[in-house]
Amino acid sequence: DAGVTQSPTHLIKTRGQHVTLRCSPISGHKSVSWYQQVLGQGPQFIFQYYEKEERGRGNFPDRFSARQFPNYSSELNVNALLLGDSALYLCASSLVPGGWSPLHFGNGTRLTVT
Amino acid sequence: QQPVQSPQAVILREGEDAVINCSSSKALYSVHWYRQKHGEAPVFLMILLKGGEQKGHDKISASFNEKKQQSSLYLTASQLSYSGTYFCGTEGAYGGSQGNLIFGKGTKLSVKP
Repeated sequence: DAGVTQSPTHLIKTRGQHVTLRCSPISGHKSVSWYQQVLGQGPQFIFQYYEKEERGRGNFPDRFSARQFPNYSSELNVNALLLGDSALYLCASSLVPGGWSPLHFGNGTRLTVT
Repeated sequence: QQPVQSPQAVILREGEDAVINCSSSKALYSVHWYRQKHGEAPVFLMILLKGGEQKGHDKISASFNEKKQQSSLYLTASQLSYSGTYFCGTEGAYGGSQGNLIFGKGTKLSVKP
């Protein structure tokens, strides 16, 4: 079975631009979470979606938004990019949120803002 | 409310044991452990639930003290393949935090021959 797939793998954007990152979960997984990982740090929680509804939001500004589609894939959007948004963005899927259900991570999208 | 991990880094020789600790300031429902190798995605190791149940890797063990909101990961007879950064992820027991996994800053483990 295919794992979590993310696209694109790498992206270079200019300050002030907008970016859309995409994630396809493992088949059968209905929950998708987004994390931002800066070099040398742990993944920082951005959003969690389950059954197309937002179930959690981390401490990120409103420039960050996300949605989940009927096929359970997800998009993360970031507006008005800042240099500090440069990071690895990880998508993780799970059968259900939390509890017994482990997260399965994709390989991430490396975003560089210049 | 990010959990605190200790130590930040540890260096071992093959065959030695290590313990990684994870502590939270809030009541927890579950603790997850993941390992991330350089340039790769985090990989699931272990889940511990409130109530003492565990699910995960057969060569790694862990404990969860619900009253102290602490978890420890035990790596015994370490192998070179154990090298990487270990993250604990905590899920709150109450309120809107249920289902959301918050990660610590990680513990970098290096196993030398």
